[in-house]
Amino acid sequence: NAGVTQTPKFRVLKTGQSMTLLCAQDMNHEYMYWYRQDPGMGLRLIHYSVGEGTTAKGEVPDGYNVSRLKKQNFLLGLESAAPSQTSVYFCASRGTAQETQYFGPGTRLLVL
Amino acid sequence: EDKVVQSPLSLVVHEGDTVTLNCSYEVTNFRSLLWYKQEKKAPTFLFMLTSSGIEKKSGRLSSILDKKELFSILNITATQTGDSAIYLCAVVVGAGGTSYGKLTFGQGTILTVHP
Repeated sequence: NAGVTQTPKFRVLKTGQSMTLLCAQDMNHEYMYWYRQDPGMGLRLIHYSVGEGTTAKGEVPDGYNVSRLKKQNFLLGLESAAPSQTSVYFCASRGTAQETQYFGPGTRLLVL
Repeated sequence: EDKVVQSPLSLVVHEGDTVTLNCSYEVTNFRSLLWYKQEKKAPTFLFMLTSSGIEKKSGRLSSILDKKELFSILNITATQTGDSAIYLCAVVVGAGGTSYGKLTFGQGTILTVHP
């Protein structure tokens, strides 16, 4: 039981490049979330999903897109990376009857 | 707008000291408050608090919620170097059956415990 996994662990992009971050969970959780963590700002919600095929915007969605084609996977895309998107990205999931979210190990992204 | 504020933002202590971390919140549709510990990587769950005045304990860590005054504290007694981490407070908000269990996080408290 791996829990929540994220790939890649670290990536460097040039401004304007695109990339996709992958989150996978093996706990059969309905809800999945993408956060970014910046110094002094805690974790901020980017997008979330309440089930396969559904997504919604969180607190800071601009510049990101997401897809949830399979229940266990939640993808975060950056179409045209900007230096302001340099951050650590965390994926999380939870079950329907739970309040606690379980986090992946994070992806460190540097945009030059 | 939902808001969660933690204090202090950073704290440096020596092994054996006792620390108290604070979390205050202003949110609509409060459901519960969660504490997480974050070392190098993913935040790991510590406590969930839903009822006022009931202390949750795990070893040297304890936490309590005051729903009237809208705050929670996390206490760590006899601190050890392994307690060095960022401690995150998050409030779960909801809107009944359609809730998606959104977490609003505080900024975190960086705790450093010196030998």
